[in-house]
Amino acid sequence: KAGVTQTPRYLIKTRGQQVTLSCSPISGHRSVSWYQQTPGQGLQFLFEYFSETQRNKGNFPGRFSGRQFSNSRSEMNVSTLELGDSALYLCASSLDAGNTIYFGEGSWLTVV
Amino acid sequence: QKEVEQNSGPLSVPEGAIASLNCTYSDRVSQSFFWYRQYSGKSPELIMSIYSNGDKEDGRFTAQLNKASQYVSLLIRDSQPSDSATYLCAVRNNQAGTALIFGKGTTLSVSS
Repeated sequence: KAGVTQTPRYLIKTRGQQVTLSCSPISGHRSVSWYQQTPGQGLQFLFEYFSETQRNKGNFPGRFSGRQFSNSRSEMNVSTLELGDSALYLCASSLDAGNTIYFGEGSWLTVV
Repeated sequence: QKEVEQNSGPLSVPEGAIASLNCTYSDRVSQSFFWYRQYSGKSPELIMSIYSNGDKEDGRFTAQLNKASQYVSLLIRDSQPSDSATYLCAVRNNQAGTALIFGKGTTLSVSS
């Protein structure tokens, strides 16, 4: 069974640009959540999507957005990139709330 | 502010010893508790989940939960150099979807 797949794995962007990250969940999983990991703040929850609807949102500015498609694949977008957005962005999938979540390999974003 | 606290370490133990990792959480309605292991440059990998008070054993790992004290711990018996990693404690209120609140992790170093 394939795991959670994230693309791209590594990317470098310039301050002010925007970026889109993609996530394909484990087959059959309908919940996709996104996390940001930085050395200073650790792993922080961004948002969760279930059946194409945002079900929960963390404490991040509106520059961070996401969506989920009918096949459960998800994308997250960060607009007007700042240096502090440099981080590992992790996607996780789950059957539903109350079930174990499984992380993808992550997308390493560097903003210069 | 819901928080999960862990001692950042590093926790250093010799090979074959027991490593004890601790975690406290602030949200009394938390229902699910997880330990993830993260190697440098990799994504978090689930080691244990625990949902009710008491101990749960899986191989060399034992998770302990005390909801009254809002305390979760992970014991690693017969520690191996390959156990050297950062261990992340995470808690979840299942009413809030799949969102996990993570501690900042404890770095474990096992010397041979």
